[in-house]
Amino acid sequence: AQKVTQAQTEISVVEKEDVTLDCVYETRDTTYYLFWYKQPPSGELVFLIRRNSFDEQNEISGRYSWNFQKSTSSFNFTITASQVVDSAVYFCALSEAHNTDKLIFGTGTRLQVFP
Amino acid sequence: EAGVAQSPRYKIIEKRQSVAFWCNPISGHATLYWYQQILGQGPKLLIQFQNNGVVDDSQLPKDRFSAERLKGVDSTLKIQPAKLEDSAVYLCASSVGTGLNQPQHFGDGTRLSIL
Repeated sequence: AQKVTQAQTEISVVEKEDVTLDCVYETRDTTYYLFWYKQPPSGELVFLIRRNSFDEQNEISGRYSWNFQKSTSSFNFTITASQVVDSAVYFCALSEAHNTDKLIFGTGTRLQVFP
Repeated sequence: EAGVAQSPRYKIIEKRQSVAFWCNPISGHATLYWYQQILGQGPKLLIQFQNNGVVDDSQLPKDRFSAERLKGVDSTLKIQPAKLEDSAVYLCASSVGTGLNQPQHFGDGTRLSIL
């Protein structure tokens, strides 16, 4: 069965520290898609990234980077030089090829960045 | 471009009462989703519409929950009668159409508290 595990419930860091949010997934499909969303206190889920199972290249976007490793079924998210505005709940999600619109979310990691 | 609009922002009712939530998707978006997000959990898909037709309602508790999108634009989600376990944030999302190249855009949600 499909499942997304975010073992870190809450992480606190001080501004300018680097922080990595872990995500481990389970799926029987060979074709699947992985996502990260940010949920600030306002409640809206903000799309950050989507990767497919055939593309294991790591990606960097500004201070954000993602490390996809099929061997360990992980899709970790690193924020470099964190800022107070990064404080939010971050969700990892999975969708499978037979139903790409159905997102299966993890339980989220609350990140608090202190000044 | 206006985002996904939801109302009300907050709602408090007693158990066994009924409640309705409204969602107006981004203009031109054919696909609309309703999610339930219980505190401390990731969002769970309740129902997906493509225009005015239901694509997936497998996780909708149909004995008490109903949803409609009569004209293929805005949508209403209803709970009748409400139970304590229905306390959650109800998120609406929309996308241009089905398929993975169409990211889901989320509204701010309606926070429902059942007394």
